[in-house]
Formats: sequence, structure tokens, C-alpha cells
Amino acid sequence: VLTQSPGTLSLSPGDRATLFCKASQVISNTYLAWYRQIPGQAPRLLIYATSSRDTGIPDRFSGSGSGTDFTLTISRLEPEDFAVYYCQHYGTSPRTFGQGTRVELK
Amino acid sequence: EVQLLESGGGLRQPGGSLRLSCATSGFPFSTYAMSWVRQAPGKGLEWVSTISGNGNNTYYADSVRGRFTISRDNSRNTLYLQMNSVGAEDTAVFFCAKGKARSGTYTPLDHWGQGTLVTVSS
Repeated sequence: VLTQSPGTLSLSPGDRATLFCKASQVISNTYLAWYRQIPGQAPRLLIYATSSRDTGIPDRFSGSGSGTDFTLTISRLEPEDFAVYYCQHYGTSPRTFGQGTRVELK
Repeated sequence: EVQLLESGGGLRQPGGSLRLSCATSGFPFSTYAMSWVRQAPGKGLEWVSTISGNGNNTYYADSVRGRFTISRDNSRNTLYLQMNSVGAEDTAVFFCAKGKARSGTYTPLDHWGQGTLVTVSS
């Protein structure tokens, strides 16, 4: 089970956002991903293997963590970053998603 | 350019069946694992099923195992999800998604379709 916190983050453009994903048991760094879902759109892969940015993802997105605790940091929020973020463990079956963190405009 | 286009969604009565399709282009389809992920209205993402590139290995969420069947036709570059004995809890947008890694099934999902809505209601 992946538990994301906080449920909602209220911030302004240019702010730094820190999102957390906690696993119920130790997972390998190789198998932790983050996705962003803008309302009305499909999810988009941001980070895989805990800290690798997917193709075309800007460097304001960074991932870190190990064991059971993982973090997604957005250094300076752009308008398109006000969305819902999901972590996923894809190293076993089921390929579990967290429940999501909403980043909303303050 | 990678493209994924789902179809086959619609309204079904409880206990009914339907088959979703995902037509793909822009990448060597048979090389990549493919998955279905669903999202109930106003809810989060739920992984449903994954199939290996050659179709020999399949994986299912407990919530759909025994009712849903994932398959692929590599000659048509198309992914399928056969859904039987559907219930209200299956109402969701169903996304197909491509695995990022060229081999293996334990891979993140780097391209997604726009989804097809399945509504189960009497």
C-alpha cells in the first residue's frame, strides 16, 4: 500500500512543492514512479526509478527517497503543475498507485 | 509519435460484457508490455492489468481477476480488455498505457491514451 501526503497542497505559482509517498513495506528504488494528471487529461509519467526524469520532463521536477519513504519536489510551480500527482510501485503485482495529492492554487 | 486510442466503452447493464480496444502506432508494439488502468469518477488511478510484449504473461488486480481478460494482437498493434460480469464498481474511464522498458513487465507507463468511459448501470 502506498500512502500519499498531504491530500491537498495549496500553493502559489513560483512556490516550491514537496509531496510524499510512504510504502507499507520496503520497496526497491528501481520501481517507484510519479505521475501528474491535469484535470480532464490522461496521466503523464514524470519520474521513474525514484529519481530519473522521463523524456521531456523539466528539471524543476525531482524525486528522491529510499526504503519506504519517497518524495517528489517541484522547485517552482508553473500554471500547468496545479494538478493531481500519483506515486506508483511497479515492481510487483499489483502495480499499486497511491491515492493522490492535489496541488491547488492558493 | 506514439499514439494510443481506446474504444469500446459505453453503457452496460450489471452482469453484462464488453470489450475494450486500444489501437496503437508509432512504436514496435510487440516489444513492449501494455497495461490497462482505470479511474472511477472523481477517484484516483487503479491499475487493472498488464500483459507482456509477446502476450505470454498476464497480471491482474484482485478486483478484476476471473472477470476481465487482457490480450493483444501484435499483428494489428492492438491491445484488448474483455470485461465480463461487470458491476457498478467497474464504472470508470479505462486508460491503456505503454510500458517504458523495451523488455519486461515491471516498468513504468510512459504513454497513455485519452481513455474510454465504461458505465455500468441498470
